[in-house]
Amino acid sequence: QVQLQESGPGLVKPSETLSLNCTVSGGSISGYYWSWIRQPPGKGLEWIGYIYYSDSGDTNYNPSLKSRVTISVGTSKNQFSLKLTSVTAADTAVYYCARLFYSRSNYDWYFDLWGRGTLVTVSS
Amino acid sequence: DIQMTQSPSSLSASVGDSVTITCRASQSISSYLNWYQQKPGKAPSLLIYAASSLQSGVPSRFSGSGSGTDFTLTISSLQPEDFATYFCQQGYSTVPFTFGPGTKVHIK
Repeated sequence: QVQLQESGPGLVKPSETLSLNCTVSGGSISGYYWSWIRQPPGKGLEWIGYIYYSDSGDTNYNPSLKSRVTISVGTSKNQFSLKLTSVTAADTAVYYCARLFYSRSNYDWYFDLWGRGTLVTVSS
Repeated sequence: DIQMTQSPSSLSASVGDSVTITCRASQSISSYLNWYQQKPGKAPSLLIYAASSLQSGVPSRFSGSGSGTDFTLTISSLQPEDFATYFCQQGYSTVPFTFGPGTKVHIK
């Protein structure tokens, strides 16, 4: 079955760039929407953005983070990546990659597959 | 942004109890409401999509209802593995997708 796995540094210094990859295995990455979601310790879930894995590579971001976020296709064809610039302690969170499923039959959007998450701490 | 609220924020229940969690949207979202379960240290997993459709593999004791702004998640006979935090998420407005703050179900 399809599995997702996040990877990247667990510690990032303030003002630097957080970079994570998500590797998709066991299924096709093309033709689907893929997303990043984060969860500060002990808090709720915040959607970061998505990419549509196709020739167009359409992206959409949370307006609250848009100026600092880039989601792109990865260097390997079964990967997508997240970059978040100018990080502060407020960006400390578990970062999840997830498949964002769009139902063409009832127009609903939901996150049907998730990676295990990776904790990124912003600290000097 | 569409704001999602949940009540209660936490509840205590016993195995075998029926529990209901409420989610409210700040504007009508039709039936574009999804529910997730998250156990400590784990990623969320999808329980219900489109307000009332059970995700494949999810036990039938979970059910969802509602439309417009008010939605409920019901667990008909609580099992030990159901003690977790539950989040709702609206799939109506894509930018941004928003989640409720969560409801933690504790063992009484």
